[in-house]
Amino acid sequence: GAVVSQHPSWVICKSGTSVKIECRSLDFQATTMFWYRQFPKQSLMLMATSNEGSKATYEQGVEKDKFLINHASLTLSTLTVTSAHPEDSSFYICSARNRGSAFFGQGTRLTVV
Amino acid sequence: AQRVTQPEKLLSVFKGAPVELKCNYSYSGSPELFWYVQYSRQRLQLLLRHISRESIKGFTADLNKGETSFHLKKPFAQEEDSAMYYCALSENTGGFKTIFGAGTRLFVKA
Repeated sequence: GAVVSQHPSWVICKSGTSVKIECRSLDFQATTMFWYRQFPKQSLMLMATSNEGSKATYEQGVEKDKFLINHASLTLSTLTVTSAHPEDSSFYICSARNRGSAFFGQGTRLTVV
Repeated sequence: AQRVTQPEKLLSVFKGAPVELKCNYSYSGSPELFWYVQYSRQRLQLLLRHISRESIKGFTADLNKGETSFHLKKPFAQEEDSAMYYCALSENTGGFKTIFGAGTRLFVKA
C-alpha cells in the first residue's frame, strides 16, 4: 500500500516560535495532499488542501497566515505553524490520495509551552 | 454542504455478537464513501471503500443512496476489532478532499 510519512512525530516549542511539519509520500507521487487537525477525542478537521506548484486551499476559519503550507515537489508538503501559541497545541495529520483512497501519515503531536 | 454523521460515539458489544456502526451522509453529487479504522497508538488506515464492495476483516458496508447511509457491519465481533472507526466521504471532483464523521469507538468485550 501507499506510505505517507510525517516528521517529526512530536515536537515541543516555545510560544512565539514557528514549527515546520513535513509530509512525504514515500512510494507514490501526490499532486495534492491534505492537512488535518485532530483535537483529543474528536474527529479530524480538514484544515487545507496542499497543491503542488500552486497555493494551498484553506478551509473556512483556518488562518492562512498562521498555517503556511508549501508543496514544492510531488512527494513533499510542509505545514509551518507560525508564531505558535498554546492553543495551537494539537495533533496534526497529513494525507495523500493514491488510486482513489486517502493514506495518512502517523501524525505530529505539537505542544506549545 | 457535505456532512458525515456518525450518531454513536461509543458502541460496546460482546465478543461474537453482531455489530453495526452507523453512518449517514449528505452530499450534492455522487460521493465516494470510506471506512477508516484507528487502532490504539496506530495511524488511521483504510478499512474499506464502497466502490470495492469487498469484505475486509469480516466487515462489510453497503452504500444506500436512498437512505444516504453507509453502515459498517460485522456478523461476529472479535476483541481485536476494538478501535476507533471513522466514516468518511470523499469528493470525486475538484480537490477530492475527504471529510470525516465524528467517529465511533467500538469496544468488544470478552
